[in-house]
Amino acid sequence: NAGVTQTPKFQVLKTGQSMTLQCAQDMNHEYMSWYRQDPGMGLRLIHYSVGAGITDQGEVPNGYNVSRSTTEDFPLRLLSAAPSQTSVYFCASSTGTAQAEQYFGPGTRLTVT
Amino acid sequence: AQTVTQSQPEMSVQEAETVTLSCTYDTSESDYYLFWYKQPPSRQMILVIRQEAYKQQNATENRFSVNFQKAAKSFSLKISDSQLGDAAMYFCAYRSANFGNEKLTFGTGTRLTIIP
Repeated sequence: NAGVTQTPKFQVLKTGQSMTLQCAQDMNHEYMSWYRQDPGMGLRLIHYSVGAGITDQGEVPNGYNVSRSTTEDFPLRLLSAAPSQTSVYFCASSTGTAQAEQYFGPGTRLTVT
Repeated sequence: AQTVTQSQPEMSVQEAETVTLSCTYDTSESDYYLFWYKQPPSRQMILVIRQEAYKQQNATENRFSVNFQKAAKSFSLKISDSQLGDAAMYFCAYRSANFGNEKLTFGTGTRLTIIP
């Protein structure tokens, strides 16, 4: 049982490049989400999904796309990277009930130059 | 929209002593959940403790306990017998109990240093 996995762990992009951050979970969780963590700002929700085929925007969705074709995977796409997207990105999953613990992946540190 | 405020960016405590981290939140909902997460230097987010708003009894997990004051919208974390491994960033988080609104709203965090 690997829990929530994220790849890559580190990434450097040039402004304007695109890339996909991968997230997978093997706990059959319905709810998955992406957060970004910036110094002094805590974690902020980017996008989330309550099940395969269903996604919705969070607090800071601009510049990011998501899709959920399977229960296990929830990739985050940066369409045209900007320096403002330099951050640490966390994927999380849970069973979807309000009291359920959200399990976090190890994070991806992204630098956009 | 809900907000979570942690007014102590940094705290320090002597090893074996007790420390309390503060958290306040704002919401118009009556049913919700509150969490404390720990983030050590490894960056991994670890759930420390959880409190259901409808429960008056404060949650406790070993050396970690909370003081939940619903009317005051306050949710502080007390760490007893502090250990070197407790050094980390601590985040307070809010989650609605409404179905379909499972997102977590985080505070800005408190960095806890343990002094040997």
